[in-house]
Amino acid sequence: DAMVIQNPRYQVTQFGKPVTLSCSQTLNHNVMYWYQQKSSQAPKLLFHYYDKDFNNEADTPDNFQSRRPNTSFCFLDIRSPGLGDAAMYLCATSRDQSNYRSYNEQFFGPGTRLTVL
Amino acid sequence: AQSVTQLGSHVSVSEGALVLLRCNYSSSVPPYLFWYVQYPNQGLQLLLKYTSAATLVKGINGFEAEFKKSETSFHLTKPSAHMSDAAEYFCAVTIYGGSQGNLIFGKGTKLSVKP
Repeated sequence: DAMVIQNPRYQVTQFGKPVTLSCSQTLNHNVMYWYQQKSSQAPKLLFHYYDKDFNNEADTPDNFQSRRPNTSFCFLDIRSPGLGDAAMYLCATSRDQSNYRSYNEQFFGPGTRLTVL
Repeated sequence: AQSVTQLGSHVSVSEGALVLLRCNYSSSVPPYLFWYVQYPNQGLQLLLKYTSAATLVKGINGFEAEFKKSETSFHLTKPSAHMSDAAEYFCAVTIYGGSQGNLIFGKGTKLSVKP
């Protein structure tokens, strides 16, 4: 089945120790998104890639970076995690439909729960 | 700009009772609307979507929602709640051409189902 995969599902890191979260997809979608979701809150978009073009949300901290080496993979790097970065991180993908005057439906992975000690 | 308001951060129903989760949207152009469900420590699963075709939309697990333009609403309903419906539900909106499909989420409603 075509899907969005996130690894690991649970990640524990120490305060200030860099951590990388991984997302891969078999849907061949050209848009990939990273969301941060804190407890009992809605997902908050951090950034997205449209093909290789990186689009950062205005309020995403500089501590968060992303890489997309190819269509299938996208990484979220947290350079110096703080206690406030503990959250669920969701990856999503979509196929851009703007040429068809339609919407982009997003498909979500299972998420990575990050704990910062 | 688009926005979504979900009324009630917590809703509790008895098993077998009607489920009604409220969502109102704001959009200056025709919206596309979605309901997602999230179980603990899991990602978002699409329940149903409104894409400007039928205004009454049926989704998975017996859920449905009706798009009412005059009320700017897209409430989620299920005739009879099951224990397995206990989860958090998010309403979301996007528009054609909206910044490469960015979704605007409501704050979520946590549904509890009592035996």
